[in-house]
Amino acid sequence: RKEVEQDPGPFNVPEGATVAFNCTYSNSASQSFFWYRQDCRKEPKLLMSVYSSGNEDGRFTAQLNRASQYISLLIRDSKLSDSATYLCVVTLPTDSWGKLQFGAGTQVVVTP
Amino acid sequence: SAVISQKPSRDICQRGTSLTIQCQVDSQVTMMFWYRQQPGQSLTLIATANQGSEATYESGFVIDKFPISRPNLTFSTLTVSNMSPEDSSIYLCSARQGPWETQYFGPGTRLLVL
Repeated sequence: RKEVEQDPGPFNVPEGATVAFNCTYSNSASQSFFWYRQDCRKEPKLLMSVYSSGNEDGRFTAQLNRASQYISLLIRDSKLSDSATYLCVVTLPTDSWGKLQFGAGTQVVVTP
Repeated sequence: SAVISQKPSRDICQRGTSLTIQCQVDSQVTMMFWYRQQPGQSLTLIATANQGSEATYESGFVIDKFPISRPNLTFSTLTVSNMSPEDSSIYLCSARQGPWETQYFGPGTRLLVL
């Protein structure tokens, strides 16, 4: 079983609509959670950290459910520029420095 | 945020040869990493590049195949040795910076081994 699992998509979303997707993680002791965004043929870039109480950054809302071991990302009022692959990232409690474990990504395609 | 550059950005190599990838960060960082990402796959950590000591390799990766140097706090190299077509991938340098130890990535090196 993979440490971090994501629905690969693609999620085809009309411009202006809302899209949400989840990511599950297998290690209940995982400590930190992030969403990264990766555009085609580009490097991953941090989109937002995910806090226990949930957090919002503009049109993006992230939630953490420790009991069910998943995190979610919701994008409101989708823009064409939101088309990308969204990587779920979890830090494993194996080392003091918190190794990042990446999911394979969820592809989002926003259409006009 | 840290600005990370990598050289070369891409290369096509013959099997059996070696390629050294350079990674430069615009500020001093404690932790630098090397990842590999194959098409449609997630990022896989190859090793942590430690300044002044040997790199720490993840399971499945060995120093003889992927020697790493870290001569100072802003620079690291990864060598892909004795390449085979299975080494064709994107190799990404990464570093942590800032009060929250945010992890940033370089633009990647696209390697194709024939």
